[in-house]
Amino acid sequence: SAVISQKPSRDICQRGTSLTIQCQVDSQVTMMFWYRQQPGQSLTLIATANQGSEATYESGFVIDKFPISRPNLTFSTLTVSNMSPEDSSIYLCSVPKGLGITPTEAFFGQGTRLTVV
Amino acid sequence: AQSVAQPEDQVNVAEGNPLTVKCTYSVSGNPYLFWYVQYPNRGLQFLLKYITGDNLVKGSYGFEAEFNKSQTSFHLKKPSALVSDSALYFCAVRDATGTASKLTFGTGTRLQVTL
Repeated sequence: SAVISQKPSRDICQRGTSLTIQCQVDSQVTMMFWYRQQPGQSLTLIATANQGSEATYESGFVIDKFPISRPNLTFSTLTVSNMSPEDSSIYLCSVPKGLGITPTEAFFGQGTRLTVV
Repeated sequence: AQSVAQPEDQVNVAEGNPLTVKCTYSVSGNPYLFWYVQYPNRGLQFLLKYITGDNLVKGSYGFEAEFNKSQTSFHLKKPSALVSDSALYFCAVRDATGTASKLTFGTGTRLQVTL
């Protein structure tokens, strides 16, 4: 199984500021996914981070708000920009087991618990 | 579009009793179905999956799930619950014809196992 390290594990931020979350995987992966889990709710996919190309964003999420970097096959960052209290959530990094788009399970990082005050 | 429904926000079970956590799904093609568990302050852990084959799949920690195509369900079960099973459980689906490895999650069911 892949080992995924996310940093920071939690943070409390002032509104209007930005936070960058890092995701490091111990093996090379083609795709990395960023999810948001709002309090008491399910996981919602924010975007797919592809190495060597721009991230693909889901409906309701835009690059200006959630810029993503994917400099290599083992690392990605998600930035939450110009934060408001509504951005308070757990943000999770995920990678699929195996390469490509084969239908295998996904591994998740421990998550970053963000509180915006 | 694919979707997952978990009709119960919480399930309460006494230790030693069987448990069932319900999940129904909707996809345009064949479904790939998953169960994940989330313990407090921890990330999601994979429990089991259905891709094809036997409708009853077995997973980690003694859990199993039954795929029922006619009822579009994939209920999670365990014959004898443990207090340590108390956690948040998510059902997820992926369309087999999808072009990306994206999961759609249900809203989660909190399982509370008491002595």
